[in-house]
Amino acid sequence: DTGVSQNPRHKITKRGQNVTFRCDPISEHNRLYWYRQTLGQGPEFLTYFQNEAQLEKSRLLSDRFSAERPKGSFSTLEIQRTEQGDSAMYLCASSWLAGGSNEQFFGPGTRLTVL
Amino acid sequence: QKEVEQNSGPLSVPEGAIASLNCTYSDRGSQSFFWYRQYSGKSPELIMSIYSNGDKEDGRFTAQLNKASQYVSLLIRDSQPSDSATYLCAVMPGQNFVFGPGTRLSVLP
Repeated sequence: DTGVSQNPRHKITKRGQNVTFRCDPISEHNRLYWYRQTLGQGPEFLTYFQNEAQLEKSRLLSDRFSAERPKGSFSTLEIQRTEQGDSAMYLCASSWLAGGSNEQFFGPGTRLTVL
Repeated sequence: QKEVEQNSGPLSVPEGAIASLNCTYSDRGSQSFFWYRQYSGKSPELIMSIYSNGDKEDGRFTAQLNKASQYVSLLIRDSQPSDSATYLCAVMPGQNFVFGPGTRLSVLP
């Protein structure tokens, strides 16, 4: 399977706990994006990487959120001290920036529930 | 604020009809435009991308772009019940994507 994968698919946690999600992009893709989506809304941009460099971070992303992409391969998104408002679907997407094409392909997402 | 607007719907069409989905965007510098389909509980699936003014056809789908009017649309011909989903418009004003809220399409048998 050469698509984008995400783990875990579901995560239930208690308020105040830390959680970490993993995304494995399509192997030849150099860009990786994180989004958050709540019911009835489109995906909301969080951050993106080109290779291992984090190039942009949404102003909506609080200091409790951090993302890494060591060696330009998989990426992790960590949420510290989770709050109930963090409950959402967290989506990862990857793309190959070349020749003007910027098509992004999404993974299945990680659904986070904060109790 | 870079915004992408869509009618939330639901848009209901009979099976076999043409479904027309519309999207407007605020950033005139946007150069890349995308339509995604999202089934309930699933992640978005890319349908089409369009970069130049005019029409782009792929099977039953046609994307239309008018940069002067800041408008992009998606036509679905011969709509099928399996097309029932939320359709997301995405615009790339810089290096990241801005998504609209999506239009829910219901194709009635």
